[in-house]
This record gives sequence, structure tokens and C-alpha cells, in this order.
Amino acid sequence: AQSVTQLDSHVSVSEGTPVLLRCNYSSSYSPSLFWYVQHPNKGLQLLLKYTSAATLVKGINGFEAEFKKSETSFHLTKPSAHMSDAAEYFCVVSDRGTGGSYIPTFGRGTSLIVHP
Amino acid sequence: SAVISQKPSRDICQRGTSLTIQCQVDSQVTMMFWYRQQPGQSLTLIATANQGSEATYESGFVIDKFPISRPNLTFSTLTVSNMSPEDSSIYLCSVGSGYEQYFGPGTRLTVT
Repeated sequence: AQSVTQLDSHVSVSEGTPVLLRCNYSSSYSPSLFWYVQHPNKGLQLLLKYTSAATLVKGINGFEAEFKKSETSFHLTKPSAHMSDAAEYFCVVSDRGTGGSYIPTFGRGTSLIVHP
Repeated sequence: SAVISQKPSRDICQRGTSLTIQCQVDSQVTMMFWYRQQPGQSLTLIATANQGSEATYESGFVIDKFPISRPNLTFSTLTVSNMSPEDSSIYLCSVGSGYEQYFGPGTRLTVT
């Protein structure tokens, strides 16, 4: 069985300071991992994904994440926050289910608040 | 990549009625997923739909409440039956293979 834990329900930063959104996962196999962003009243947008290639993954809008198998973590970072980064962020793990198909599981989400 | 459209984008329905949500993909896909996002919550998987077979429902979701059709490789419908205010949510269709996952824009349902 797979699961994903986003360790913070809210993260508050000042504009121009670093962002860290934490995600830990549990998986029986070698999972694919994703980060999605959802702005208010908008659809889901893929930020980045890890699919067993390079462990440091670069995504859109300056975000990146590092896959650490030993820590079962996939934390999302950004060097400098912008006001436009304020949104809900979801960590997703996708692993083979009992039927052999990949089924994504969402974390509960982390709300990023950016102060001027 | 896959482009997914959903109809309707939003609706307001009375309790006790049913709403059918359509999901159209611009390419043929084997698996389609239906998710629910309740207000202020994360996405919860309702069911997985493969073409030509019965949908597989997650714990807490039943076919009588959320019947799903999958008539071909580019289309699926989810019906929310006998609605109550607790069904007010965003319903999203998704396709993917593990390496790629795409989501529709969602259907925002309000039940009064």
C-alpha cells in the first residue's frame, strides 16, 4: 500500500525568502512522485515529477524537489518566494496497485502563504 | 500529453436529484480516474474506470451512489445520485500511466 504525508498544513513565508514544503511517502515499490499546485478556484497544475531518473528534479516557476530514498522524502523547495506562489500544494505518490496499474494518492495539501 | 475536458464546469442542484458529469480526453487511454475534492480538502479517489469493465471503487464509495460509465477509450461519465449537501465538492477526471498524470479542470457541484 502507498501513502503520502505532507507534514505541514500551512507554511507562511515572506516574499523573497526560501520555501520548503515537506513530503514523506510510503511505497512498496519504486514510486513516481509529483508535486501539483492549485491556485484558488483554479485547476491542478503539475510543478514537477520524479520517475526514477535524476534525484534532483527541477520544475516550473523555480521550484525543485529532491528524492531521498533513504529518508522516503520528496520535499519541495524554492530559493525565493513570490506573492504569486501563494496557493495549495499537493504531493502525490503513484505506485503499482494490486492490479498492476499505477494509481495516484494525494497528500492532504499544504497551504503556502506569502507575506509582502 | 493529454487534454481533458469536463462538462458541466459547475452546477447547482437540489437534494435528491442526480447529476451526470462527462469527461472527454483527446487521446485514447486505458485507465481513467475520478476524484472528489471536498471544500478545503485534498483529492480523494472515488474509482478507477477501465474501458469494457466495471469500475473499481475505493473504500467509502459505492456504485449505487456514484455509477460510472466507460463506453470507449476517450470518454467516461460519473453520476452523483440522490444528492445531498454533503456531495457538494469538485469532481475531477484524471488519466495517467504512473509516469504522467493529467487532470481535467473539474466540475464544481453545489447541492442545496
